[in-house]
Amino acid sequence: AQSVAQPEDQVNVAEGNPLTVKCTYSVSGNPYLFWYVQYPNRGLQFLLKYITGDNLVKGSYGFEAEFNKSQTSFHLKKPSALVSDSALYFCAVRANYGGATNKLIFGTGTLLAVQP
Amino acid sequence: SAVISQKPSRDICQRGTSLTIQCQVDSQVTMMFWYRQQPGQSLTLIATANQGSEATYESGFVIDKFPISRPNLTFSTLTVSNMSPEDSSIYLCSARGQGLEAFFGQGTRLTVV
Repeated sequence: AQSVAQPEDQVNVAEGNPLTVKCTYSVSGNPYLFWYVQYPNRGLQFLLKYITGDNLVKGSYGFEAEFNKSQTSFHLKKPSALVSDSALYFCAVRANYGGATNKLIFGTGTLLAVQP
Repeated sequence: SAVISQKPSRDICQRGTSLTIQCQVDSQVTMMFWYRQQPGQSLTLIATANQGSEATYESGFVIDKFPISRPNLTFSTLTVSNMSPEDSSIYLCSARGQGLEAFFGQGTRLTVV
């Protein structure tokens, strides 16, 4: 069965410092991995994805994520945090077999708080 | 990327009534989904909306309570039937096209009183 773990309910970081939001996954076969961000009273916005190829993927708003197959991780990173990055972040996984019907499984979410 | 319009954005409903949420995508998409989310929590998949056939429901969700329509490749509706306060939640429409990522509507915040 597919699963995603986000071990931190909340991450606090000072503006200008690097940030990391952790994600580990479990899936049979090779994964498709995604990060989404949700601002208050809004829907989810797609940030980035790993499908295949380069383990370091770059996405919107300066975010990037590194796929580590041996550790089954896909941590979200940004070199310099902004106060406007404060939001709820979700990691999601989908198996890459079984056709288009495979479901997207979400983690529990990590609240990122960036202090000025 | 697909742009998803969802309405209403919020509603307050009396228990025992039904609410239909509409989801319109600006391009043809392969898959459409409906999720439920408690504020600040993760997303729970309700069902996959299949074009021209009955929706595929996840465990714990049934068609009588959450009937879904998808008459074409760009539109779907979710009805929350015979509502109770426990149905108060955020309902999100999602769509996936030829790309592998899914896109989401802004959500419908439902309060049942």
